[in-house]
Amino acid sequence: DVKVTQSSRYLVKRTGEKVFLECVQDMDHENMFWYRQDPGLGLRLIYFSYDVKMKEKGDIPEGYSVSREKKERFSLILESASTNQTSMYLCASSFPDSMNTEAFFGQGTRLTVV
Amino acid sequence: DAKTTQPPSMDCAEGRAANLPCNHSTISGNEYVYWYRQIHSQGPQYIIHGLKNNETNEMASLIITEDRKSSTLILPHATLRDTAVYYCIPRSGSARQLTFGSGTQLTVLP
Repeated sequence: DVKVTQSSRYLVKRTGEKVFLECVQDMDHENMFWYRQDPGLGLRLIYFSYDVKMKEKGDIPEGYSVSREKKERFSLILESASTNQTSMYLCASSFPDSMNTEAFFGQGTRLTVV
Repeated sequence: DAKTTQPPSMDCAEGRAANLPCNHSTISGNEYVYWYRQIHSQGPQYIIHGLKNNETNEMASLIITEDRKSSTLILPHATLRDTAVYYCIPRSGSARQLTFGSGTQLTVLP
């Protein structure tokens, strides 16, 4: 069974903390994505990576960074967490775009910054 | 990417077919139509996609009109576990990301 696994289902952090959200996929996918989902705003892309050590900004990268040192792992980093980063974070992975295949999503991490 | 219009909500009786419409009148020739769903508090799940022919898999059928300006996702025998938000997403092969709209909240009633 194919899997995208996010390290935590629920997380509570304090304002100003450095936060790491981890995502691992076991499908040998080239592409990996980080989205956040907020009520009324839908899913918005933060960053994506199409290869190891490669990354591109999505629609809302401010306040975030990412790391992809290995093909199977894509980390989202909140350098200094703020309350407006309280959200549901979703990781996804897929084969290269030209293959027109589907993306697989993790179960999500609900982050609360207090 | 093409813009989509989906009804915000629909109800369906358990065991009956659920027909979810999507209007994508600005779709371009190289854009596939993808359907995903998101059950409450879970990540989105892929259902089906197609370019211009009708498609069927174990989860659903996808009917795309000949002019490709609209499509319908059909769940042939809806169950309570099909209650979810359903997203219709046009996407070309060169598009890196999926652009999610607001989708349709389908509620399957017992």
